[in-house]
Amino acid sequence: QVQLVQSGAAVKKPGASVKVSCKVSGYPLIELSIHWVRQAPGKGLEWMGGFDPENSETIYAQRFRGRVTMSEDTTTDTAYMELRSLRSADTAVYYCAAVREGYLQLDYWGQGTLVTVSS
Amino acid sequence: EIVMTQSPATLSVSPGERATLSCRASQSVSSNLAWFQQKPGQAPRLLIYGASTRATGIPARFSGSGSGTEFTLTISSLQSEDFATYYCQQYHHWPKTFGQGTKVEIK
Repeated sequence: QVQLVQSGAAVKKPGASVKVSCKVSGYPLIELSIHWVRQAPGKGLEWMGGFDPENSETIYAQRFRGRVTMSEDTTTDTAYMELRSLRSADTAVYYCAAVREGYLQLDYWGQGTLVTVSS
Repeated sequence: EIVMTQSPATLSVSPGERATLSCRASQSVSSNLAWFQQKPGQAPRLLIYGASTRATGIPARFSGSGSGTEFTLTISSLQSEDFATYYCQQYHHWPKTFGQGTKVEIK
């Protein structure tokens, strides 16, 4: 069974960066496409970006381009999402989610990581 | 970007009753639509993909229908554990956008 375990909560100051990790077990990371979704307090789900296996590239939502980097370390089966120039509006729970090879839907989700941006 | 619009925002239903949730896409997404259930403090859970295929372990009381721009999630007889927020997501086009959610609450 695929499991995604994320790093713990973080508190950051405005202007800082945060890097959230997502450790995959039960399935090789190279056979998954990892996406990142965030949820501000009391709000809905917002897709941030994800890996496109057809073109072997990561696609980012327009509003995050230039400020976010999604990466992977296949030697440790860990995915990362780094968000820079944090502002209070970035306070949210950040989720990693996985699409299995040959499929298109987000089958598996991490438990979420709360990132709080506060001075 | 495809805009996904869910209705209603809140649905009040009594246990045992049927619930019907709608999701509309601003342009065709074929059948590349998923439904997720989310309870407070939990990660979303995949219910339906391909517009109508139940994910592994999802009870038969959950069903999805539609294609193109109009989709429906039906819960045939609401159980206490079904009171939650439901989101649709299209994965036909990049970016893979979500609807704003429908909260199903106890009447």
